[in-house]
Amino acid sequence: QITLKESGPTLVKPTQTLTLTCTFSGFSLSSSGAGVGWIRQPPGKALEWLAVIYWNDEKRYSPSLKTSLTITKDTSKNQVVLTMTNVDPVDTATYYCAHRRGESATGGSYDIWGQGTMVTVSS
Amino acid sequence: QSVLTQPPSVSGAPGQRVTISCTGSSSNIGTAYDVHWYQQLPGTAPKYLISGNNNRPSGVPDRFSGSKSGTSASLAITGLQAEDEADYYCQCYDTSLSGYVFGTGTKVTVL
Repeated sequence: QITLKESGPTLVKPTQTLTLTCTFSGFSLSSSGAGVGWIRQPPGKALEWLAVIYWNDEKRYSPSLKTSLTITKDTSKNQVVLTMTNVDPVDTATYYCAHRRGESATGGSYDIWGQGTMVTVSS
Repeated sequence: QSVLTQPPSVSGAPGQRVTISCTGSSSNIGTAYDVHWYQQLPGTAPKYLISGNNNRPSGVPDRFSGSKSGTSASLAITGLQAEDEADYYCQCYDTSLSGYVFGTGTKVTVL
């Protein structure tokens, strides 16, 4: 059974760096085809894909946020970390990590999601 | 900023059939990549529902079906039930962006 759980601060000040951790179980991020992605959802708005990291350490980022995002993995700890620099109040959202189901480093779906963590950016 | 466009809302009476469209482009839905659909009940995380070729996780009823044609995709819900009241999102891989895109989301209301 695959599970994922997000953790991180609930309140961050503008211009600070946000660090979110996804701790997962039930699969290995070193297995061929495995991936973990981050998706966020501002209050009352749609889902927005942010980034994904694959078993082979390939990474993909949303073009609109690429300069502020970094995604890394620690296979031994079963964790994926997303860092967002220079946050703004518009980054206030629920942040989800999800298991990417697929066979290659493109395509696929997000078949299992964490419960999400709400992050507010405010001074 | 979503590149996949969905109607904001659809509604239907219990037992009816409703469809949700998802319009994209030649770099996402128009490619060989599958379109996937998610259901988000109020206050909960999204749940994977179905792919464009009708692959459903166990537990998803066959009242839900997906299809794709050209640069558009659709989710159909037949025999609409009160428990289907939720937000629905489509998702695909985009070759121009080298990443994933979600739709604008559709709220389904059961009258």
